[in-house]
Amino acid sequence: DQQVKQNSPSLSVQEGRISILNCDYTNSMFDYFLWYKKYPAEGPTFLISISSIKDKNEDGRFTVFLNKSAKHLSLHIVPSQPGDSAVYFCAGGNEKLTFGTGTRLTIIP
Amino acid sequence: NAGVMQNPRHLVRRRGQEARLRCSPMKGHSHVYWYRQLPEEGLKFMVYLQKENIIDESGMPKERFSAEFPKEGPSILRIQQVVRGDSAAYFCASSPGSGRPGQYFGPGTRLTVT
Repeated sequence: DQQVKQNSPSLSVQEGRISILNCDYTNSMFDYFLWYKKYPAEGPTFLISISSIKDKNEDGRFTVFLNKSAKHLSLHIVPSQPGDSAVYFCAGGNEKLTFGTGTRLTIIP
Repeated sequence: NAGVMQNPRHLVRRRGQEARLRCSPMKGHSHVYWYRQLPEEGLKFMVYLQKENIIDESGMPKERFSAEFPKEGPSILRIQQVVRGDSAAYFCASSPGSGRPGQYFGPGTRLTVT
């Protein structure tokens, strides 16, 4: 029972453009949704979170949108930079996080 | 200003041996979590601990795996009688437990069972 799904295994975006990463979930009991970024051979780095009672949260170049009726969240990165190339994981929960399988983002210079 | 520390970074064990993975949380963090990542998969929750207490171990295999977070010292994830299927990256995370979301991860321990 995959409660958090990232259906796009990879995404390529031109530098300077907007990157949009998507995530679907089935568990409506999650208190929070989070996005993490991961480089090879490193641990995930926390990027941004959103409470289940909100529909948008913004932090610098990163904005997360939550559509509860569609059980869908997305991460927008604008403008995209080469250093954003990494694997991005969405997760739901608070103490016990349930992760998606990740989307590999490649920023093309 | 050390983050979450894990050691060893790489661990090779033969089938049947024991593996001990250590995690020191960020300063000021009292909550520790362990996750496992198999190749080409996302991270899977294993266990959530506070000092001297296991809060949620719903993701731990029923046998051979145990975790502790003693009053003094790092958190330990222990795998007894390792099998090839235990080969994975094991990540530890910590949080201050203030109710705010966001766990901060260590660099992971890559366990290889030969």
